[in-house]
Amino acid sequence: NAGVTQTPKFQVLKTGQSMTLQCAQDMNHEYMSWYRQDPGMGLRLIHYSVGAGITDQGEVPNGYNVSRSTTEDFPLRLLSAAPSQTSVYFCASSTGQYNQPQHFGDGTRLSIL
Amino acid sequence: AQTVTQSQPEMSVQEAETVTLSCTYDTSESDYYLFWYKQPPSRQMILVIRQEAYKQQNATENRFSVNFQKAAKSFSLKISDSQLGDAAMYFCAYRSRGNEKLTFGTGTRLTIIP
Repeated sequence: NAGVTQTPKFQVLKTGQSMTLQCAQDMNHEYMSWYRQDPGMGLRLIHYSVGAGITDQGEVPNGYNVSRSTTEDFPLRLLSAAPSQTSVYFCASSTGQYNQPQHFGDGTRLSIL
Repeated sequence: AQTVTQSQPEMSVQEAETVTLSCTYDTSESDYYLFWYKQPPSRQMILVIRQEAYKQQNATENRFSVNFQKAAKSFSLKISDSQLGDAAMYFCAYRSRGNEKLTFGTGTRLTIIP
């Protein structure tokens, strides 16, 4: 019963490098999303998807790219890493039904030097 | 746009005592859900309790209960009989009906004093 799986758990990048954070869920959830968590700012929505082939921007989308080719996977791409993208990243999924909560992965701590 | 405010960056409570964490929100909508999430040092986001705006009865989950005041747009979390394992960051979150996006507050760090 894996739930939402994020890889890697930790990563250090140099400025300008690109990277993909992986997120997979095994609950057949339609809705998936990416958040970033910064000190004193709570979690902020980066991108989300309401189903395979459909993605949309959240509150802080700049510098990130997503795609949703399958129901299970929702990778987050950093195109050219910047120190401002140093953060903890969370992936979440849900059924999309109003009364069902979102399930979160364990997070990825990303440092950009 | 909806906003969620947690005005207490840090709180502390003696073990076995009761503590209340505050949350206020701003919305023009009438149908929505409110959540409290717990984030221990392990970094996991754990759902503690949720409340539907149309339900007048306050939600309760074991030692956790909420005081939901819809008119005042207030959603506080009460933890009774505090335990060492309750030490964590607590986030209040809002979601409107038909919209999966969660809006989070900035969190309250709760310390339990043995």
